[in-house]
Amino acid sequence: GQNIDQPTEMTATEGAIVQINCTYQTSGFNGLFWYQQHAGEAPTFLSYNVLDGLEEKGRFSSFLSRSKGYSYLLLKELQMKDSASYLCAVRDGPGGYNKLIFGAGTRLAVHP
Amino acid sequence: GAVVSQHPSRVICKSGTSVKIECRSLDFQATTMFWYRQFPKQSLMLMATSNEGSKATYEQGVEKDKFLINHASLTLSTLTVTSAHPEDSSFYICSATIGSYNEQFFGPGTRLTVL
Repeated sequence: GQNIDQPTEMTATEGAIVQINCTYQTSGFNGLFWYQQHAGEAPTFLSYNVLDGLEEKGRFSSFLSRSKGYSYLLLKELQMKDSASYLCAVRDGPGGYNKLIFGAGTRLAVHP
Repeated sequence: GAVVSQHPSRVICKSGTSVKIECRSLDFQATTMFWYRQFPKQSLMLMATSNEGSKATYEQGVEKDKFLINHASLTLSTLTVTSAHPEDSSFYICSATIGSYNEQFFGPGTRLTVL
């Protein structure tokens, strides 16, 4: 079956670093995405990994290990506006088919 | 970046009526559009994949006769919830892609409440 696991909730302090983990078991793998979603709004794209290793983009970094079925999103220098849900999504299916399977999301609360 | 719009943003309807939600790609031609449903504090669940000019592909458990999808052009897809019931109340989000491998651009979502 298809399974994507993330912690339900996390809290962190403004200015700190937080790591959100994601493990997946899917029938196929063609890339992993991280999205940010504020309450009542649509998800916005943060990062994409298809090869093993770390991808860095400003305050956000994402890591992938395909052999372990594992990814994490690292947020540095946390700001209050980073309080949101963070969704891990795996692109599944045969080559060329862009279907995304989403995890339940991790609700991050950033405190002063 | 690519912009996707949805209309309406909120809709309240009576049980048994039908509701149409539009999804438009504003500055690009979308070869594929996706429809998701999201219940409170849950993640996005893919309902169907829609390719322009062809029939939508529905996910297991999604009733194709209840959730009608039309993708008449490369910039417009519509989702019609027929004979809506209170359990259909949810946040409906569409996304669009340019080609199979590219990222999905999400619309702002439509909050449906069925009384």
